[in-house]
Amino acid sequence: KNQVEQSPQSLIILEGKNCTLQCNYTVSPFSNLRWYKQDTGRGPVSLTIMTFSENTKSNGRYTATLDADTKQSSLHITASQLSDSASYICVVSAWQAGTALIFGKGTTLSVSS
Amino acid sequence: NAGVTQTPKFQVLKTGQSMTLQCAQDMNHNSMYWYRQDPGMGLRLIYYSASEGTTDKGEVPNGYNVSRLNKREFSLRLESAAPSQTSVYFCASSESIAGGSDQPQHFGDGTRLSIL
Repeated sequence: KNQVEQSPQSLIILEGKNCTLQCNYTVSPFSNLRWYKQDTGRGPVSLTIMTFSENTKSNGRYTATLDADTKQSSLHITASQLSDSASYICVVSAWQAGTALIFGKGTTLSVSS
Repeated sequence: NAGVTQTPKFQVLKTGQSMTLQCAQDMNHNSMYWYRQDPGMGLRLIYYSASEGTTDKGEVPNGYNVSRLNKREFSLRLESAAPSQTSVYFCASSESIAGGSDQPQHFGDGTRLSIL
């Protein structure tokens, strides 16, 4: 069964600190992996999309990594800011007809001052 | 640039009432989607439209119908609302169907629907 598991479920860090969110998946055949940021009361916004051949991709202070062999991804946030407080959702896309996107449940990050 | 616009933002219904959620995108995208998001669960696909004139069921289509009115607009209808349909509904669009492409989905800000 295609699944996406994220950890931790929630995380609290101090402003200025770094953090890493994890995503493990069992999706086949793999097409790409996406990270979205969802602010409270808003829709998800795309941060990065990585294909099978990419193992690192950055978007400002956000850096995503992908290990297609172990089926793991991480999202590293550097020098966190209060505005980073949000839910971060890992989404894995499978190669097949239709829209085969499998969503994780998300990690809720709270950045405090 | 508005992106994906959903209306209404909030709605309260009584069991058995019907309602249509509206979604419009101004990015000239071919594909559009409806999701629901419930506490403790990932986004679940209700219906999608790969291109104008086509619609397909997603993971949780029961109790819903959709209409791809034109390239810009994709509506979701609840014919007889049930308390289990209390949720936040998100519309999204992408340049091409999201399954095998690396095109991002663009989401609206959701409709918060409560059914009493």
